[in-house]
Amino acid sequence: DQQVKQNSPSLSVQEGRISILNCDYTNSMFDYFLWYKKYPAEGPTFLISISSIKDKNEDGRFTVFLNKSAKHLSLHIVPSQPGDSAVYFCAANGRTGTASKLTFGTGTRLQVTL
Amino acid sequence: DAGVIQSPRHEVTEMGQEVTLRCKPISGHNSLFWYRQTMMRGLELLIYFNNNVPIDDSGMPEDRFSAKMPNASFSTLKIQPSEPRDSAVYFCASTPGLHNSPLHFGNGTRLTVT
Repeated sequence: DQQVKQNSPSLSVQEGRISILNCDYTNSMFDYFLWYKKYPAEGPTFLISISSIKDKNEDGRFTVFLNKSAKHLSLHIVPSQPGDSAVYFCAANGRTGTASKLTFGTGTRLQVTL
Repeated sequence: DAGVIQSPRHEVTEMGQEVTLRCKPISGHNSLFWYRQTMMRGLELLIYFNNNVPIDDSGMPEDRFSAKMPNASFSTLKIQPSEPRDSAVYFCASTPGLHNSPLHFGNGTRLTVT
Protein backbone atom coordinates (compact mmCIF):
# COMPACT_ATOMS: atom_id res chain seq x y z
CA ASP A 1 0.00 0.00 0.00
CA GLN A 2 1.69 3.16 -1.24
CA GLN A 3 1.04 5.87 1.32
CA VAL A 4 2.95 8.42 -0.75
CA LYS A 5 2.19 8.45 -4.46
CA GLN A 6 3.85 10.14 -7.36
CA ASN A 7 1.62 9.28 -10.26
CA SER A 8 3.78 10.79 -13.00
CA PRO A 9 6.85 8.64 -13.61
CA SER A 10 8.35 11.26 -15.90
CA LEU A 11 8.05 14.88 -16.95
CA SER A 12 9.72 16.85 -19.72
CA VAL A 13 9.97 20.65 -19.55
CA GLN A 14 11.74 23.22 -21.65
CA GLU A 15 14.54 25.23 -20.11
CA GLY A 16 13.24 28.45 -18.59
CA ARG A 17 9.70 27.16 -18.11
CA ILE A 18 8.08 26.03 -14.88
CA SER A 19 8.33 22.41 -13.72
CA ILE A 20 5.53 21.16 -11.50
CA LEU A 21 5.95 17.82 -9.76
CA ASN A 22 3.02 16.37 -7.85
CA CYS A 23 2.67 14.11 -4.87
CA ASP A 24 -0.34 12.67 -3.04
CA TYR A 25 -0.47 11.00 0.34
CA THR A 26 -3.06 8.95 2.17
CA ASN A 27 -1.91 8.93 5.78
CA SER A 28 -3.40 11.83 7.74
CA MET A 29 -0.75 11.31 10.44
CA PHE A 30 1.95 12.69 8.16
CA ASP A 31 2.95 16.13 9.39
CA TYR A 32 6.16 16.93 7.56
CA PHE A 33 6.97 16.61 3.89
CA LEU A 34 10.22 16.70 1.99
CA TRP A 35 11.48 16.62 -1.56
CA TYR A 36 14.70 14.88 -2.49
CA LYS A 37 16.59 15.07 -5.74
CA LYS A 38 18.58 12.17 -7.12
CA TYR A 39 21.16 12.09 -9.90
CA PRO A 40 22.22 8.78 -11.48
CA ALA A 41 24.72 6.75 -9.44
CA GLU A 42 24.29 9.07 -6.45
CA GLY A 43 22.17 8.99 -3.34
CA PRO A 44 19.16 11.26 -2.93
CA THR A 45 19.91 14.73 -1.59
CA PHE A 46 17.55 16.88 0.43
CA LEU A 47 16.00 19.74 -1.53
CA ILE A 48 13.20 21.43 0.40
CA SER A 49 10.65 20.64 3.08
CA ILE A 50 7.37 21.88 4.51
CA SER A 51 5.61 21.43 7.81
CA SER A 52 1.89 20.72 7.93
CA ILE A 53 1.33 24.04 9.71
CA LYS A 54 2.30 25.85 6.50
CA ASP A 55 0.92 25.78 2.99
CA LYS A 56 3.95 27.14 1.15
CA ASN A 57 7.69 27.16 1.52
CA GLU A 58 10.05 28.82 -0.90
CA ASP A 59 13.80 28.48 -1.41
CA GLY A 60 15.19 30.23 -4.43
CA ARG A 61 13.83 28.66 -7.58
CA PHE A 62 12.08 25.93 -5.59
CA THR A 63 8.68 26.26 -3.94
CA VAL A 64 6.68 23.54 -2.26
CA PHE A 65 2.92 23.89 -1.83
CA LEU A 66 0.87 21.81 0.58
CA ASN A 67 -2.89 21.29 0.38
CA LYS A 68 -3.79 19.36 3.51
CA SER A 69 -7.46 18.97 2.73
CA ALA A 70 -6.60 17.33 -0.57
CA LYS A 71 -3.59 15.49 0.88
CA HIS A 72 -1.55 16.86 -1.99
CA LEU A 73 1.73 18.63 -2.35
CA SER A 74 3.62 19.95 -5.31
CA LEU A 75 7.12 21.15 -6.09
CA HIS A 76 7.49 24.08 -8.45
CA ILE A 77 10.81 24.82 -10.10
CA VAL A 78 11.02 28.12 -11.92
CA PRO A 79 12.84 28.76 -14.10
CA SER A 80 13.82 25.18 -14.91
CA GLN A 81 17.46 24.58 -15.81
CA PRO A 82 19.16 21.62 -17.51
CA GLY A 83 20.96 20.83 -14.24
CA ASP A 84 17.56 20.20 -12.66
CA SER A 85 17.22 17.02 -14.73
CA ALA A 86 17.05 14.29 -12.11
CA VAL A 87 14.63 12.01 -10.29
CA TYR A 88 12.60 13.78 -7.63
CA PHE A 89 11.25 11.90 -4.65
CA CYS A 90 8.49 13.12 -2.42
CA ALA A 91 8.70 11.92 1.20
CA ALA A 92 6.55 12.23 4.29
CA ASN A 93 7.18 11.87 7.99
CA GLY A 94 4.72 11.01 10.70
CA ARG A 95 4.62 11.78 14.39
CA THR A 96 6.88 8.87 15.22
CA GLY A 97 9.21 10.35 17.74
CA THR A 98 12.81 11.40 17.51
CA ALA A 99 13.96 9.92 14.24
CA SER A 100 12.97 10.90 10.75
CA LYS A 101 11.27 7.75 9.51
CA LEU A 102 10.41 8.81 6.00
CA THR A 103 7.97 7.20 3.60
CA PHE A 104 8.98 7.86 0.00
CA GLY A 105 7.10 7.95 -3.26
CA THR A 106 8.31 6.13 -6.35
CA GLY A 107 9.84 9.24 -7.90
CA THR A 108 9.33 11.42 -10.96
CA ARG A 109 12.06 11.72 -13.56
CA LEU A 110 12.36 15.34 -14.71
CA GLN A 111 14.02 16.09 -18.03
CA VAL A 112 14.74 19.74 -18.75
CA THR A 113 15.35 20.22 -22.44
CA LEU A 114 17.22 23.03 -24.17
CA ASP B 1 32.63 16.02 6.13
CA ALA B 2 33.00 12.85 4.06
CA GLY B 3 29.30 12.12 4.03
CA VAL B 4 27.77 8.67 4.39
CA ILE B 5 30.12 6.07 2.95
CA GLN B 6 28.85 2.81 1.53
CA SER B 7 30.77 -0.15 0.21
CA PRO B 8 30.95 -1.80 -2.16
CA ARG B 9 29.49 0.43 -4.88
CA HIS B 10 28.62 -2.58 -6.99
CA GLU B 11 28.15 -6.21 -6.04
CA VAL B 12 27.45 -9.05 -8.42
CA THR B 13 26.85 -12.44 -6.89
CA GLU B 14 25.24 -15.75 -7.65
CA MET B 15 21.97 -16.88 -6.18
CA GLY B 16 22.49 -18.57 -2.84
CA GLN B 17 25.59 -16.64 -1.89
CA GLU B 18 25.87 -14.42 1.16
CA VAL B 19 26.07 -10.68 0.57
CA THR B 20 27.22 -8.07 3.07
CA LEU B 21 26.72 -4.37 2.49
CA ARG B 22 28.55 -1.85 4.62
CA CYS B 23 27.86 1.68 5.79
CA LYS B 24 29.71 4.35 7.70
CA PRO B 25 27.37 7.13 8.82
CA ILE B 26 28.29 10.77 9.24
CA SER B 27 30.15 11.31 12.48
CA GLY B 28 27.83 12.57 15.19
CA HIS B 29 24.70 11.25 13.53
CA ASN B 30 22.93 8.85 15.84
CA SER B 31 20.19 7.53 13.57
CA LEU B 32 20.93 5.22 10.66
CA PHE B 33 18.60 3.90 8.01
CA TRP B 34 18.79 1.21 5.33
CA TYR B 35 16.64 1.75 2.24
CA ARG B 36 16.17 -0.32 -0.90
CA GLN B 37 15.31 1.25 -4.25
CA THR B 38 13.47 -0.63 -6.96
CA MET B 39 11.62 0.60 -10.02
CA MET B 40 8.29 -0.73 -8.82
CA ARG B 41 8.36 0.37 -5.19
CA GLY B 42 10.72 3.32 -5.15
CA LEU B 43 12.62 3.80 -1.89
CA GLU B 44 11.54 1.37 0.80
CA LEU B 45 12.72 1.59 4.39
CA LEU B 46 14.15 -1.72 5.53
CA ILE B 47 15.34 -0.95 9.05
CA TYR B 48 16.50 1.94 11.16
CA PHE B 49 18.69 2.29 14.22
CA ASN B 50 18.78 4.94 16.89
CA ASN B 51 21.92 5.07 19.05
CA ASN B 52 22.98 1.71 17.56
CA VAL B 53 19.72 0.03 18.65
CA PRO B 54 17.33 -1.33 16.00
CA ILE B 55 14.08 0.59 16.38
CA ASP B 56 11.96 -0.64 13.50
CA ASP B 57 12.76 -3.60 11.26
CA SER B 58 9.25 -4.06 9.90
CA GLY B 59 10.48 -3.31 6.39
CA MET B 60 12.96 -6.18 6.32
CA PRO B 61 11.44 -8.45 3.67
CA GLU B 62 12.39 -11.85 5.02
CA ASP B 63 14.51 -13.67 7.53
CA ARG B 64 17.20 -13.82 4.87
CA PHE B 65 17.85 -10.15 5.63
CA SER B 66 19.62 -9.02 8.78
CA ALA B 67 21.24 -5.78 9.88
CA LYS B 68 23.63 -4.87 12.65
CA MET B 69 25.13 -1.73 14.07
CA PRO B 70 27.95 -2.78 16.41
CA ASN B 71 29.04 0.82 17.01
CA ALA B 72 28.16 4.38 16.10
CA SER B 73 30.38 4.42 13.02
CA PHE B 74 29.52 1.18 11.28
CA SER B 75 26.52 -0.82 10.10
CA THR B 76 26.04 -3.88 7.92
CA LEU B 77 23.13 -5.27 5.96
CA LYS B 78 23.44 -8.97 5.21
CA ILE B 79 21.44 -11.12 2.84
CA GLN B 80 21.82 -14.86 3.19
CA PRO B 81 21.07 -16.63 0.95
CA SER B 82 20.66 -14.06 -1.79
CA GLU B 83 18.03 -14.40 -4.53
CA PRO B 84 17.64 -12.70 -7.93
CA ARG B 85 14.66 -10.68 -6.63
CA ASP B 86 17.00 -9.02 -4.13
CA SER B 87 18.66 -7.17 -7.02
CA ALA B 88 18.25 -3.46 -6.29
CA VAL B 89 20.16 -0.42 -5.11
CA TYR B 90 20.59 -0.36 -1.36
CA PHE B 91 21.05 3.00 0.33
CA CYS B 92 22.25 3.81 3.78
CA ALA B 93 21.32 7.17 5.32
CA SER B 94 22.02 8.92 8.59
CA THR B 95 20.63 11.86 10.49
CA PRO B 96 21.37 13.64 13.76
CA GLY B 97 18.22 12.05 15.14
CA LEU B 98 16.22 15.20 15.69
CA HIS B 99 12.63 15.00 14.53
CA ASN B 100 12.32 16.10 10.91
CA SER B 101 16.05 16.47 10.38
CA PRO B 102 16.74 15.54 6.74
CA LEU B 103 18.37 12.24 5.90
CA HIS B 104 21.84 12.23 4.39
CA PHE B 105 22.22 9.38 1.95
CA GLY B 106 25.24 7.48 0.78
CA ASN B 107 25.75 6.77 -2.92
CA GLY B 108 24.30 3.30 -2.61
CA THR B 109 25.33 -0.25 -3.42
CA ARG B 110 23.97 -1.70 -6.64
CA LEU B 111 23.38 -5.39 -6.00
CA THR B 112 22.89 -7.84 -8.84
CA VAL B 113 22.06 -11.45 -7.99
CA THR B 114 22.25 -13.81 -10.95
